[in-house]
Amino acid sequence: AQSVTQLDSHVSVSEGTPVLLRCNYSSSYSPSLFWYVQHPNKGLQLLLKYTSAATLVKGINGFEAEFKKSETSFHLTKPSAHMSDAAEYFCVVSEVDTGRRALTFGSGTRLQVQP
Amino acid sequence: DTAVSQTPKYLVTQMGNDKSIKCEQNLGHDTMYWYKQDSKKFLKIMFSYNNKELIINETVPNRFSPKSPDKAHLNLHINSLELGDSAVYFCASSPGTTGGLNTEAFFGQGTRLTVV
Repeated sequence: AQSVTQLDSHVSVSEGTPVLLRCNYSSSYSPSLFWYVQHPNKGLQLLLKYTSAATLVKGINGFEAEFKKSETSFHLTKPSAHMSDAAEYFCVVSEVDTGRRALTFGSGTRLQVQP
Repeated sequence: DTAVSQTPKYLVTQMGNDKSIKCEQNLGHDTMYWYKQDSKKFLKIMFSYNNKELIINETVPNRFSPKSPDKAHLNLHINSLELGDSAVYFCASSPGTTGGLNTEAFFGQGTRLTVV
C-alpha cells in the first residue's frame, strides 16, 4: 500500500524568503511522486514530478523537489517566495509497478505568503 | 482549448434529488478518474476507468454510479443526494500505458456540489 504524509498543514513565510514544504511517502514499489498546487477555488495544477530519473526535479514557477530514497522524502522548495505562491500544495504518490492507476494524495499544506 | 472540462462548475440541490456531473477530456488519454475533495481539502479517488472499463471502485456508496460512453467521457451520476455528499468533485485523466512514466493526472476545474 502507498501513502503520503505532509508534515505541516500550514506554512507561513514572508515574501522573498525560502519555502520548504515537507513530504514523506510510503510505497511498496518504485514510486512516482508529484507535487500539485491548488489556488483558491481552482483546479489542480502539476508543479513537478519524479519518475526515477534525476533525483532533483525542477518544476514550474521556480519550485524544485529532491527525492531521497533513504529518507523516503520528497520535500518541495523554492528559494524566494512570491505572493502568488499562496495556495494549497499536495504531495502525491503513484505506484508505477502495479496495475493500479490512481494517485494517492497527502492531506495538503496551505502556504501563506506575508508581504 | 480546455484539456479536461467538467460541467457544471457549481451545483446546488436539495436532499433526495438525483444529479449528474459531466466530464470530457481532449487529451487522447485512456484513463479517467473521479476524485472527491472534502471540506478539509483531502482528495480521495472514487473511480477509475481505463478504455471505458471500470478498474478502480473505492468504497463509495451505491448511489454513486460512473458512466463512460467512450474513453473521452466519464460522467458521474448521484442518486438520492445526502448532505454529506457536499464536496468538490474533480475529474481527471492520464495516459493509459501500464507501467509508463507519464502517470501524472490532468485535472478539471472541479464541480462544487452543495446539498441543502
